[in-house]
Amino acid sequence: EPEVTQTPSHQVTQMGQEVILRCVPISNHLYFYWYRQILGQKVEFLVSFYNNEISEKSEIFDDQFSVERPDGSNFTLKIRSTKLEDSAMYFCASSGSGHQNTEAFFGQGTRLTVV
Amino acid sequence: KNQVEQSPQSLIILEGKNCTLQCNYTVSPFSNLRWYKQDTGRGPVSLTIMTFSENTKSNGRYTATLDADTKQSSLHITASQLSDSASYICVVSDSGGGADGLTFGKGTHLIIQP
Repeated sequence: EPEVTQTPSHQVTQMGQEVILRCVPISNHLYFYWYRQILGQKVEFLVSFYNNEISEKSEIFDDQFSVERPDGSNFTLKIRSTKLEDSAMYFCASSGSGHQNTEAFFGQGTRLTVV
Repeated sequence: KNQVEQSPQSLIILEGKNCTLQCNYTVSPFSNLRWYKQDTGRGPVSLTIMTFSENTKSNGRYTATLDADTKQSSLHITASQLSDSASYICVVSDSGGGADGLTFGKGTHLIIQP
């Protein structure tokens, strides 16, 4: 069964460093998303991406964040200068369309720890 | 502000028993309501998606109900199994309906004991 894969599963970084989280969405999907979940809190939307550009972003997704689809298969989230409060589980998701009721498939997540 | 509230926060039941999880939402406009199962340290996995015109939807031992008038939903698990231990998250989508308009609840942490 096709699935969304994320790497690495766990990333530890020093405050102020740049990190890149990687995702391989399901191959025929066109819509891609990043979410995060701070420990013990609910999942929060960060950004959606379609046709090589950002379609929606939340207040969390400030100038420190960027997304890219560098090739036909990878979808990346970059945090330019990490802060302690960026420590969270980051989930990538993809869907076949952006229409109503389309199921979103989530990856296993990358646990980011900023020290 | 769109909100999704779930109850109880956590629940412990014996294997084989049934349970019902509750979700209240204030998302407007409403497009659909989803229930996800999230194992510890893993990504959410979709169980059901319901539009406002659907009152009930089943997926194996999981049955979700929706009352769009009172803005309430429930997830009923029948004959629970140890593998049902997980967080169950209620997620409501606004009028856009896509996965960028999702408001997540905090989840109910369900533990099934042998």
